[in-house]
Amino acid sequence: DTGVSQDPRHKITKRGQNVTFRCDPISEHNRLYWYRQTLGQGPEFLTYFQNEAQLEKSRLLSDRFSAERPKGSFSTLEIQRTEQGDSAMYLCASSPIKGGREPDTQYFGPGTRLTVL
Amino acid sequence: KQEVTQIPAALSVPEGENLVLNCSFTDSAIYNLQWFRQDPGKGLTSLLLIQSSQREQTSGRLNASLDKSSGRSTLYIAASQPGDSATYLCAVPSLNGGYQKVTFGTGTKLQVIP
Repeated sequence: DTGVSQDPRHKITKRGQNVTFRCDPISEHNRLYWYRQTLGQGPEFLTYFQNEAQLEKSRLLSDRFSAERPKGSFSTLEIQRTEQGDSAMYLCASSPIKGGREPDTQYFGPGTRLTVL
Repeated sequence: KQEVTQIPAALSVPEGENLVLNCSFTDSAIYNLQWFRQDPGKGLTSLLLIQSSQREQTSGRLNASLDKSSGRSTLYIAASQPGDSATYLCAVPSLNGGYQKVTFGTGTKLQVIP
């Protein structure tokens, strides 16, 4: 399977613990995105990488959240000192660069469902 | 700030019926618009992408239209089947200071009754 993969698929943690999620994009895709989706809502943009550079961060991404893409391939999203309000589905997507700065089709992974008790 | 609205929030139809899902956006300066399907507890599957220069795209029983000037897109599903039951999301990317940002609607939850 050459699609976007995410690990783990489900994570249950206690409030105050740190969690880390991993996303492996489609191999030739330069752009990688993280989204958060709460129940009954559409995904909300969190952050965006082009290769290893983190080019934009939403104000939703508090200082407890950090994302990296150290070699321009896989990415990690870490949440420190988790709170119950962090419970959500965390989605990763990737896209190729067509040329210029035009957006392209985003391909989504299956998501990581986080439950904070 | 781009805002995307989807109406209705939920829809229940008998199998075989044709149906239309609506998506509206506030900023008409878009590059494209994408429709996704999401099954419960799962990620998103891309259905159709319409470039800003296009008026519609078709894939099988699905047809998506785009009217940039009015800020609207519709997803038409012909001859609905129980397997079409899912949440349908529209998404609009925009450039924000030169970098991409995608705004999603809240989705329409479709149930097709056998």
